[in-house]
Amino acid sequence: TQLLEQSPQFLSIQEGENLTVYCNSSSVFSSLQWYRQEPGEGPVLLVTVVTGGEVKKLKRLTFQFGDARKDSSLHITAAQPGDTGLYLCAGPLDSNYQLIWGAGTKLIIKP
Amino acid sequence: DTAVSQTPKYLVTQMGNDKSIKCEQNLGHDTMYWYKQDSKKFLKIMFSYNNKELIINETVPNRFSPKSPDKAHLNLHINSLELGDSAVYFCASSQYHGTDYGYTFGSGTRLTVV
Repeated sequence: TQLLEQSPQFLSIQEGENLTVYCNSSSVFSSLQWYRQEPGEGPVLLVTVVTGGEVKKLKRLTFQFGDARKDSSLHITAAQPGDTGLYLCAGPLDSNYQLIWGAGTKLIIKP
Repeated sequence: DTAVSQTPKYLVTQMGNDKSIKCEQNLGHDTMYWYKQDSKKFLKIMFSYNNKELIINETVPNRFSPKSPDKAHLNLHINSLELGDSAVYFCASSQYHGTDYGYTFGSGTRLTVV
């Protein structure tokens, strides 16, 4: 059983469309991190959200941490082919310091 | 100037061989990790070292042995390679272990055992 469930597992949309991907858990996290991984490369940290209800923006990407710190979402506005990649969420549990990883959302933006 | 560098990028070897993957970070981070990413892209922690001391040792066969000569280096040695060891192995580092600070990953080593 995954502690962090990401959905959808796969998403393919046209350039210019908006999308949201989710990272959900029944456990409380002290923070959540979002990474993007491109083929042949390692994951790259995009953002860390720390406070319940926090919203962070990175250009066209908007990250939100749930009020109860059990979930997070990533919204992309006007998606571009450069946004293509595997989006991973990860976070340390309050009860210990090991980083827990979601299985990822594979995103393809078609030109 | 690469922050976390691992070598080699690709490794093709026969079953039963012994191989090593090297990792170096120039970020001054305290903690380094080895992860295995399977064909379904799931990242699984293997080992974690903090200031040269082993702090996470997940259920990994004894054939896998990490070695950290100093806090900037964490190498992975694999004995008697098996077909199931084929995967992409990532080295990563962070300033503090498992807290709110993000990880910096290397670009991965794709290991293929034939």
